[in-house]
Amino acid sequence: TQLLEQSPQFLSIQEGENLTVYCNSSSVFSSLQWYRQEPGEGPVLLVTVVTGGEVKKLKRLTFQFGDARKDSSLHITAAQTGDTGLYLCAGADRDDKIIFGKGTRLHILP
Amino acid sequence: ETGVTQSPTHLIKTRGQQVTLRCSSQSGHNTVSWYQQALGQGPQFIFQYYREEENGRGNFPPRFSGLQFPNYSSELNVNALELDDSALYLCASSLDGGLAKNIQYFGAGTRLSVL
Repeated sequence: TQLLEQSPQFLSIQEGENLTVYCNSSSVFSSLQWYRQEPGEGPVLLVTVVTGGEVKKLKRLTFQFGDARKDSSLHITAAQTGDTGLYLCAGADRDDKIIFGKGTRLHILP
Repeated sequence: ETGVTQSPTHLIKTRGQQVTLRCSSQSGHNTVSWYQQALGQGPQFIFQYYREEENGRGNFPPRFSGLQFPNYSSELNVNALELDDSALYLCASSLDGGLAKNIQYFGAGTRLSVL
């Protein structure tokens, strides 16, 4: 079974600090997606990474896909309270079905 | 706004009852997937429908069933509800083909509580 493991599970930091969260697997994925989910809402797509080594930037968020396409990271620069939420990574398994990691719950303190 | 709507938003049922959850996909999306998200967990894939046919299923028992209609709206039915079925049920729509099928647009979910 292909699994996506996210770390850390929980992260609480002060506003203005930088942070990185990780999404790791022993399997190769054709693409990985990052979603952000707020309480009472469904996940909202942030980015898709496709090519090994690819880096994408979304304002203060930087996403990287590992060279071997088995892992990804999300780096947030100068975190803001509005970044608080559950960050999920997801990828298509061998049967082309989307699997999700358990997520990193991020809390930014004012 | 993702254009995916789910109803109802909240539902309370008792053990043994049956429930139907509904989803209206984003316009033009012919693929719909259903997920179960327990508290503090990531979404777990239940099944996917493409052009009214089941197109893959996760590790869920047969009492979880679905339908997709010609207008691409969808239903999730759960029979013989168990306490562990309490969760947020998410519907996601996507296009088929290539990378687009991996990019899903989620509804806000239905929160089901089984007492």
